[in-house]
Amino acid sequence: GAGVSQSPSNKVTEKGKDVELRCDPISGHTALYWYRQRLGQGLEFLIYFQGNSAPDKSGLPSDRFSAERTGESVSTLTIQRTQQEDSAVYLCASSLHQPGLAPYFGPGTRLTVL
Amino acid sequence: LAKTTQPISMDSYEGQEVNITCSHNNIATNDYITWYQQFPSQGPRFIIQGYKTKVTNEVASLFIPADRKSSTLSLPRVSLSDTAVYYCLVGDEDSSYKLIFGSGTRLLVRP
Repeated sequence: GAGVSQSPSNKVTEKGKDVELRCDPISGHTALYWYRQRLGQGLEFLIYFQGNSAPDKSGLPSDRFSAERTGESVSTLTIQRTQQEDSAVYLCASSLHQPGLAPYFGPGTRLTVL
Repeated sequence: LAKTTQPISMDSYEGQEVNITCSHNNIATNDYITWYQQFPSQGPRFIIQGYKTKVTNEVASLFIPADRKSSTLSLPRVSLSDTAVYYCLVGDEDSSYKLIFGSGTRLLVRP
């Protein structure tokens, strides 16, 4: 079956532009996560969705970052007025809504801000 | 703030057993312990998960002592392709759905 997919796989943008990153979770997975990984570093939690609501947005680094999810499926992470420090791989993961179930990760979107 | 502590790096040789220990002193009662493997330019890949005692699958074993304040991932007879970063993951103390990754352990397997 299909795993978590993300698009685009690579995105190069200019400083100050807005970008949208898309995540298609595994069908039926109600929990969805966004992480950021800077070059050579570990994963940084951004936001968690349960269904279409985000009970925990505490990881979003600034108000330039926002995320939404619709139909308990696709999620979009939007970064406004991108900065060079936003350059990273943005990873999406999904899991069934059961405590402790390990999420499955997508391949990530590599964002480069020039 | 990461809730786990792992060695930054480890070296091994092909055919050896590798044990990577993770400390998670503040693990919550309902939290599971999960280990992921990550190769360069790829998303993390699930290896194994456990709650207490010992869990074994075709890839690895996970040892968890009774107090659950640490866990040890055991990789039997590693090969060059096991060179990767290994992450120990536990549920956050405020919400078991907010998963916090530690710093990861960079394992290098030499010929």
